Amino acid sequence: EPEVTQTPSHQVTQMGQEVILRCVPISNHLYFYWYRQILGQKVEFLVSFYNNEISEKSEIFDDQFSVERPDGSNFTLKIRSTKLEDSAMYFCASSTYSDSNEKLFFGSGTQLSVL
Amino acid sequence: RKEVEQDPGPFNVPEGATVAFNCTYSNSASQSFFWYRQDCRKEPKLLMSVYSSGNEDGRFTAQLNRASQYISLLIRDSKLSDSATYLCVVNIYGGSQGNLIFGKGTKLSVKP
Repeated sequence: EPEVTQTPSHQVTQMGQEVILRCVPISNHLYFYWYRQILGQKVEFLVSFYNNEISEKSEIFDDQFSVERPDGSNFTLKIRSTKLEDSAMYFCASSTYSDSNEKLFFGSGTQLSVL
Repeated sequence: RKEVEQDPGPFNVPEGATVAFNCTYSNSASQSFFWYRQDCRKEPKLLMSVYSSGNEDGRFTAQLNRASQYISLLIRDSKLSDSATYLCVVNIYGGSQGNLIFGKGTKLSVKP
């Protein structure tokens, strides 16, 4: 089965530093997403992206966050000035369509630790 | 009120047992419903979608009650490999497909 790949698997950074989390969605997918999961908490939606634009974002996705598809394969999440509370597992996902029953394929995640 | 509520468990059951998970959701506009499975520190994986008429996939049966805003998952003949956290997930009508609302999950531990 095709996979969504994420790098790095673990990222440690100092508070206030910028981090970029990288994702390679499945090649024929058109819709891309970022979710996060703080340890012991539920998975939370951050943002969806289609046709080089953000299509929807949550309250969590404030001005410190940005997403980009810099080329035909990568999809990145940037956090400009990390805070301690940004420590979480960040999951990238992709899908072919935006139909509400369409399956999302999740990557294995990047564990971000902000010290 | 939380959007998707689940009993956190853990549910500790012997192999071969039948176990049921329940979930309630608060937004009556919810249109799509799913059960995901998440192993420790791994990504969520879709177990099954939940349809209004109820649906079954092998040992797994999902039910939806829109009037009560209630979703269930039944696992029959549980296996050691079923040990995981089971996430109840809904999609709100009008939201993009990716804006899934996750419950916190119910942890299942199947013992030999």
